[in-house]
Amino acid sequence: AQKVTQAQTEISVVEKEDVTLDCVYETRDTTYYLFWYKQPPSGELVFLIRRNSFDEQNEISGRYSWNFQKSTSSFNFTITASQVVDSAVYFCALLTGGYQKVTFGTGTKLQVIP
Amino acid sequence: DTEVTQTPKHLVMGMTNKKSLKCEQHMGHRAMYWYKQKAKKPPELMFVYSYEKLSINESVPSRFSPECPNSSLLNLHLHALQPEDSALYLCASRGQGGRTEAFFGQGTRLTVV
Repeated sequence: AQKVTQAQTEISVVEKEDVTLDCVYETRDTTYYLFWYKQPPSGELVFLIRRNSFDEQNEISGRYSWNFQKSTSSFNFTITASQVVDSAVYFCALLTGGYQKVTFGTGTKLQVIP
Repeated sequence: DTEVTQTPKHLVMGMTNKKSLKCEQHMGHRAMYWYKQKAKKPPELMFVYSYEKLSINESVPSRFSPECPNSSLLNLHLHALQPEDSALYLCASRGQGGRTEAFFGQGTRLTVV
């Protein structure tokens, strides 16, 4: 069975601070994909990044960076110099099962305080 | 165009009503999904359609009936719902293979009274 764990339920930071959101996953599949989505109060899930199980290269995109460690089954997400607009719920997700089933973690609510 | 369009955005229905939620995408995606999301919870998978055929039903009660009339449209027919079915219903679509992310609509906020 697939499982995604986001241990941090809520995080509050002051604007301009860096913040890291943790994600740990479980799967027996050898090929899988990991995603991060952002859900602002409006409700829409916004795609942020995708990683496949063969690509452990970490990535930086603007203020966002991701750290994929297959050895520890972790896919963490860091926001540098956080802004109020970053306030949202962030979901880590796992795609397995013949690439049909997307399993979401429980989400981390991030509040950036001005 | 990377949009998934859901209508209506809000819906209030009585327990004896019949209503439908609609979802549309024009990205050529052949996998479409319905998710249910309760407040402060992650989205829960309900149904997956692949090439217009139902491929996954996560043991959803029969009062929810999905339909995929063509590759661009996905409907969710609702009948005899309960107040606990009140939630945000999200539609998503994906291209084939694992290299593509799912694109989500803005959802329909459903309230059952």
